[in-house]
Amino acid sequence: GNSVTQMEGPVTLSEEAFLTINCTYTATGYPSLFWYVQYPGEGLQLLLKATKADDKGSNKGFEATYRKETTSFHLEKGSVQVSDSAVYFCALMFSGGYNKLIFGAGTRLAVHP
Amino acid sequence: NAGVTQTPKFRILKIGQSMTLQCTQDMNHNYMYWYRQDPGMGLKLIYYSVGAGITDKGEVPNGYNVSRSTTEDFPLRLELAAPSQTSVYFCASSSASTNEKLFFGSGTQLSVL
Repeated sequence: GNSVTQMEGPVTLSEEAFLTINCTYTATGYPSLFWYVQYPGEGLQLLLKATKADDKGSNKGFEATYRKETTSFHLEKGSVQVSDSAVYFCALMFSGGYNKLIFGAGTRLAVHP
Repeated sequence: NAGVTQTPKFRILKIGQSMTLQCTQDMNHNYMYWYRQDPGMGLKLIYYSVGAGITDKGEVPNGYNVSRSTTEDFPLRLELAAPSQTSVYFCASSSASTNEKLFFGSGTQLSVL
């Protein structure tokens, strides 16, 4: 079946450190891939997306590249801030499926000053 | 600009009680969704709707019911609450015009004791 696997958290970093959160997927077909972020006490919000192989999504200093050969969509940021502390969800979606998302388990990031 | 509004934010139920989680959106989106978020498990789709009068089951529909009498509202009904339904519930909406982006409410934290 279709699924998303993320690295377990929590991930704890110091401010200005480099961030990588790993995400791999299993899919029968070619889905669009997403990263959503959930700040404390809030709902999820879209961080970035990529719709086909080798596409790079980017937003707010975060990047992720759709790698079909490794079925991965790892999230990276060169220099994290305390305000990036949140839970990050990797997800996939198939076109024509009414925008239904399949989520990974989420990775909590804590950034300390 | 309200977006997706969920009520209540918190609720404690006794086993066997019933309740309705309310969700309304003001963006005229056709698609609406209910997800539950369990610790370490990511978000699972309970039910979704592609328009007024049309609903369908997601991955984990047992113990829940929904209705969609208007474009704006998509309530989730728990008829006989069980401890396994303790979770955080998120409502979301989107449409063919949102470029695959889902808009989430801030969630309802439900405990069944």
